[in-house]
Amino acid sequence: GAVVSQHPSWVICKSGTSVKIECRSLDFQATTMFWYRQFPKQSLMLMATSNEGSKATYEQGVEKDKFLINHASLTLSTLTVTSAHPEDSSFYICSAREYSGRDTDTQYFGPGTRLTVL
Amino acid sequence: QKEVEQDPGPLSVPEGAIVSLNCTYSNSAFQYFMWYRQYSRKGPELLMYTYSSGNKEDGRFTAQVDKSSKYISLFIRDSQPSDSATYLCAPHTSYGKLTFGQGTILTVHP
Repeated sequence: GAVVSQHPSWVICKSGTSVKIECRSLDFQATTMFWYRQFPKQSLMLMATSNEGSKATYEQGVEKDKFLINHASLTLSTLTVTSAHPEDSSFYICSAREYSGRDTDTQYFGPGTRLTVL
Repeated sequence: QKEVEQDPGPLSVPEGAIVSLNCTYSNSAFQYFMWYRQYSRKGPELLMYTYSSGNKEDGRFTAQVDKSSKYISLFIRDSQPSDSATYLCAPHTSYGKLTFGQGTILTVHP
């Protein structure tokens, strides 16, 4: 299957700082990428949909000024958590959509980034 | 009512058993049906996907979709301890977002 990478895999930062997480599709072009958040023992929660060259679409309740998303190319999307606070500590996962015809519309996930805010 | 219902388990089976994982859904517009496996502290891994109704087989895994009854199944044959993980069904519409089930926690014990 297709490969999606994330960097960094884990990060620890102080409260008030900003953290950038990168998501790359390594062997296919992804016009759409998605950002999720996952708390322990819970399912994934979609935060936003990122389309290449346009503004991201945020889910209800997600602060767009706090979670900045940029999708500058067909293989790279970034999530910046601005002025991070301890309650932002979580597991952040991206996915990239691969569409190659009517019967092939799949999403591949990255390995995730664990953010801890002290 | 949730769009996708999945029994969270946990499900515990002996090695070599056949495992049946199931989901029901309510949105008739779903056309793509995904199954993901997620190990602890890892991103979900795509196991199987099916477009529309029917069966699909890949090694020890078989995915079934019955759109008439809105029922999705994943079968694992000859289960192994390495299959122990959380399994997520995730249907979606064309160009749509994934709609996750709650996830079923599976443990395969030697």
